[in-house]
Amino acid sequence: DAKTTQPNSMESNEEEPVHLPCNHSTISGTDYIHWYRQLPSQGPEYVIHGLTSNVNNRMASLAIAEDRKSSTLILHRATLRDAAVYYCILRDPVGGGSNYKLTFGKGTLLTVNP
Amino acid sequence: GAVVSQHPSWVICKSGTSVKIECRSLDFQATTMFWYRQFPKQSLMLMATSNEGSKATYEQGVEKDKFLINHASLTLSTLTVTSAHPEDSSFYICCTGLYSYNEQFFGPGTRLTVL
Repeated sequence: DAKTTQPNSMESNEEEPVHLPCNHSTISGTDYIHWYRQLPSQGPEYVIHGLTSNVNNRMASLAIAEDRKSSTLILHRATLRDAAVYYCILRDPVGGGSNYKLTFGKGTLLTVNP
Repeated sequence: GAVVSQHPSWVICKSGTSVKIECRSLDFQATTMFWYRQFPKQSLMLMATSNEGSKATYEQGVEKDKFLINHASLTLSTLTVTSAHPEDSSFYICCTGLYSYNEQFFGPGTRLTVL
């Protein structure tokens, strides 16, 4: 089972910021928090990941709570192309730990209104 | 970033036939690939872990004799849906498991429709 919980859906207006929350209360000290998104009829794509500190990249920012039991993905200016399902994931090591599998929860369906 | 391709992107077949889906890592060597299945309006469900040169590891409830996985080279993993039935109609997606990349790369998916 997925180790994270997210709201089923959220709505935003174009050009406005979007904050997508995720709870991961059972996170361990070595778990990285990963975010992926899936556009309609496509495979998922990586968005961002972090461990303790807040992270920024060209797609988004990730704000991680001090106790690491929750995090928030921030899209600074939502566009219509950001409409997707966003997944917050804690990876599981496979085999000797050099590979990781992703267990997907239901994610958050983000709707962006023009 | 790494590129993963899938072929075909969509396929329609008759009930009882077998369908092979290819997953290729185009610019790196993948010792491990993951196969997911996604039904409409649902999330991705991991089916199996494909290991180069060895047997695949299947998730609970996934029939290994129905979903045959072959990972004969570091750049190609195949999933064969044998004796397909309409309930096997789904979106099949592969993914790399390479640790040295913080991100993992998904193929574009294969839409299977069984009539």
